[in-house]
Amino acid sequence: DAMVIQNPRYQVTQFGKPVTLSCSQTLNHNVMYWYQQKSSQAPKLLFHYYDKDFNNEADTPDNFQSRRPNTSFCFLDIRSPGLGDAAMYLCATRGGRAYYNEQFFGPGTRLTVL
Amino acid sequence: AQTVTQSQPEMSVQEAETVTLSCTYDTSESDYYLFWYKQPPSRQMILVIRQEAYKQQNATENRFSVNFQKAAKSFSLKISDSQLGDAAMYFCAYTSLTGANSKLTFGKGITLSVRP
Repeated sequence: DAMVIQNPRYQVTQFGKPVTLSCSQTLNHNVMYWYQQKSSQAPKLLFHYYDKDFNNEADTPDNFQSRRPNTSFCFLDIRSPGLGDAAMYLCATRGGRAYYNEQFFGPGTRLTVL
Repeated sequence: AQTVTQSQPEMSVQEAETVTLSCTYDTSESDYYLFWYKQPPSRQMILVIRQEAYKQQNATENRFSVNFQKAAKSFSLKISDSQLGDAAMYFCAYTSLTGANSKLTFGKGITLSVRP
């Protein structure tokens, strides 16, 4: 089945130790999104790619970076994780056409910072 | 900027009963999409139902239906014959019709519990 895959599902890192989360998709969608979601809150958009065009949200900390080497893969790099970065990180995709504008979500990576 | 408001943080429903989750939004646009997403505990967020603003007819997907009142900017979700598997957090979301990078504007979400 076409889907959005996130690895790992659970990630534990130490305070200040860089970590990379990955997302892949078989939907061939050209838009990919990264969200941060804290407990019982709505997802907060960090940034997104339209093809290779990177769009950063104004309030996304510099500590968060992203890479998209090809259509299928997108990475979230947290350069120096702090305790406040512990959260669920969701990847989502959308087809480029405006029709429906539905986003498809991956299962998320839960990040723990020790 | 668009905003989405879900004012009820929690609701509870008896199994097999009907429940309505409220959502209001604010926008100056005339064409847009509205969604309800479901996020079960520790599970993937999935789309429940969508509504195109230019359609007057309310969307329906099996036990899920919406009451879309465009003039009032209201978009409520009705779940009929509630099942234990309906227990989840539900997010109301808005997106523009135009714009290649269309982002979702989420409400704060509502936690629905289903009593057996």
